[in-house]
Amino acid sequence: AQSVSQHNHHVILSEAASLELGCNYSYGGTVNLFWYVQYPGQHLQLLLKYFSGDPLVKGIKGFEAEFIKSKFSFNLRKPSVQWSDTAEYFCAVNVYNQGGKLIFGQGTELSVKP
Amino acid sequence: GAVVSQHPSWVICKSGTSVKIECRSLDFQATTMFWYRQFPKQSLMLMATSNEGSKATYEQGVEKDKFLINHASLTLSTLTVTSAHPEDSSFYICSATLAGVHEQYFGPGTRLTVT
Repeated sequence: AQSVSQHNHHVILSEAASLELGCNYSYGGTVNLFWYVQYPGQHLQLLLKYFSGDPLVKGIKGFEAEFIKSKFSFNLRKPSVQWSDTAEYFCAVNVYNQGGKLIFGQGTELSVKP
Repeated sequence: GAVVSQHPSWVICKSGTSVKIECRSLDFQATTMFWYRQFPKQSLMLMATSNEGSKATYEQGVEKDKFLINHASLTLSTLTVTSAHPEDSSFYICSATLAGVHEQYFGPGTRLTVT
């Protein structure tokens, strides 16, 4: 069965530190990849997505992610985090031709210290 | 654009009663809606996929007689938790998508507490 794995359960950073959150998926076919963010008490928001083309995608709020097909990875990065980035981050995979179902990773809680 | 709403945003009910949660796509017609469940500090788990006018497809382990899903129109899907028990307490989130669009648009979620 397809699965999505996020390596870090809880990441604690100081403001201005660089961020990289890992995401790996297990599926050999065509996939669409997403990163979502859930701020405390709020609903899921799309940070960025990859469907095809340039494997380095840029999203909102200075986030970017790189799709490395050979590694089945889609890691999220931000060069300098802010306190307002404190949130839960979810990687998700949509397997082509499976009716649009999203498979979510376990989530990574990011805490940014001011 | 692509706004999804849920009602109610939170609900408390007594054990044994049923609760209905609505999911609406406000500014688009949603060919498919999805229902997720999220426990505190955990990820979203897909419960079922709902297409307008047809029966929902439930994920393995989800009781279809307990979690009744109806997708009567292109803008409305409902999830009814029947004979609710405290273990059904959770955050229920719906999402909607358009035909041919791989992105899902998420609702704000409904917090259900069963006492």
